[in-house]
Amino acid sequence: GAVVSQHPSWVICKSGTSVKIECRSLDFQATTMFWYRQFPKQSLMLMATSNEGSKATYEQGVEKDKFLINHASLTLSTLTVTSAHPEDSSFYICSAIDRGSNTEAFFGQGTRLTVV
Amino acid sequence: LAKTTQPISMDSYEGQEVNITCSHNNIATNDYITWYQQFPSQGPRFIIQGYKTKVTNEVASLFIPADRKSSTLSLPRVSLSDTAVYYCLVGDHPEGTALIFGKGTTLSVSS
Repeated sequence: GAVVSQHPSWVICKSGTSVKIECRSLDFQATTMFWYRQFPKQSLMLMATSNEGSKATYEQGVEKDKFLINHASLTLSTLTVTSAHPEDSSFYICSAIDRGSNTEAFFGQGTRLTVV
Repeated sequence: LAKTTQPISMDSYEGQEVNITCSHNNIATNDYITWYQQFPSQGPRFIIQGYKTKVTNEVASLFIPADRKSSTLSLPRVSLSDTAVYYCLVGDHPEGTALIFGKGTTLSVSS
């Protein structure tokens, strides 16, 4: 099946710094990718929809200036957590839908962000 | 999107068959039913998808009654490695729309 690769798998950063997470669709083109955040023992929460070549659409309550999303190509979307704080520590997951695969969505392996 | 309700948790032993039921009373005509599995610290993984009746693949079976207001994911002869969270999603997923996850069912398999 289609593969979505996320990098890095985990990252530790200091408070106030910025962290970039990459999401790549390896064998298909994804005009749209999605970013989720998941806190311990909770479900995935949609943060934003990343559209290739245009601005991302953010869910209510998600700060667009804090979570910068860039989708510059059909296979790459990036999420940058700016001025990270400990409360931003979470598991970030990206997803893309392969239109050639009957609406099946594929997910990256996730990125564990720890802000100290 | 149709709201889904599934048990918060289930316990089982190795070798048993596990059935997880999901209620979706407001399912629309164009909606599919999809189940995902998530292991700790990993992204969700597609298990199975169906529209009506029964679907079976190498991993699971999905039973959908005629009224489609519920569905049952059946995992045959579970093993310890099937311990995970299972999510039931209902929708037609038009292009550009994200999957919205409910709380899921945490399945714990013991030896």
